[in-house]
Amino acid sequence: AQRVTQPEKLLSVFKGAPVELKCNYSYSGSPELFWYVQYSRQRLQLLLRHISRESIKGFTADLNKGETSFHLKKPFAQEEDSAMYYCALGYNTDKLIFGTGTRLQVFP
Amino acid sequence: NAGVTQTPKFRVLKTGQSMTLLCAQDMNHEYMYWYRQDPGMGLRLIHYSVGEGTTAKGEVPDGYNVSRLKKQNFLLGLESAAPSQTSVYFCASTQGGPLRPYEQYFGPGTRLTVT
Repeated sequence: AQRVTQPEKLLSVFKGAPVELKCNYSYSGSPELFWYVQYSRQRLQLLLRHISRESIKGFTADLNKGETSFHLKKPFAQEEDSAMYYCALGYNTDKLIFGTGTRLQVFP
Repeated sequence: NAGVTQTPKFRVLKTGQSMTLLCAQDMNHEYMYWYRQDPGMGLRLIHYSVGEGTTAKGEVPDGYNVSRLKKQNFLLGLESAAPSQTSVYFCASTQGGPLRPYEQYFGPGTRLTVT
């Protein structure tokens, strides 16, 4: 069965420090991976998708099929990056399964 | 465009009471979803719909029913509320299709407490 694991509930860093939010997945098919973000008092929204190989707000994520990982990285964290981050796996062409989320706190 | 809206924003129920949560979207999306979010559990799919008049079970469907009579609306019903259904409920929608089937747009959430 498909599964998404985010091992860290909370990640705290200082402004300017590098950030890596971990995500591992289990899926027998060809995976489509996403990162969603929820800022305080805002809706959950799509941050980036692996297929686009894009950088959004300085964040990147590379799909590593060998390690079944899709870690989210940013070289220099900003205070406005503080939010809840969810890794998600698309399956059956119409559903997402979400990880349990990681709260990122960026201190000044 | 309002995007995805949810009614109500908050609700307190007593055990055994019933209620309906309304989700509406104005983006002409085909697919709609209901999730619940619990601490430490992430978002879990309750039911979903791939088009008007269709519904399907998700990961945690027990105790809930849904209806999609109109394309823009997706209703989530609790027939007999239980304390275990205390949660934050999110609705989402997406156009679906081959290009971006997984880019879901979320509503603001409904916080439900069952006492």
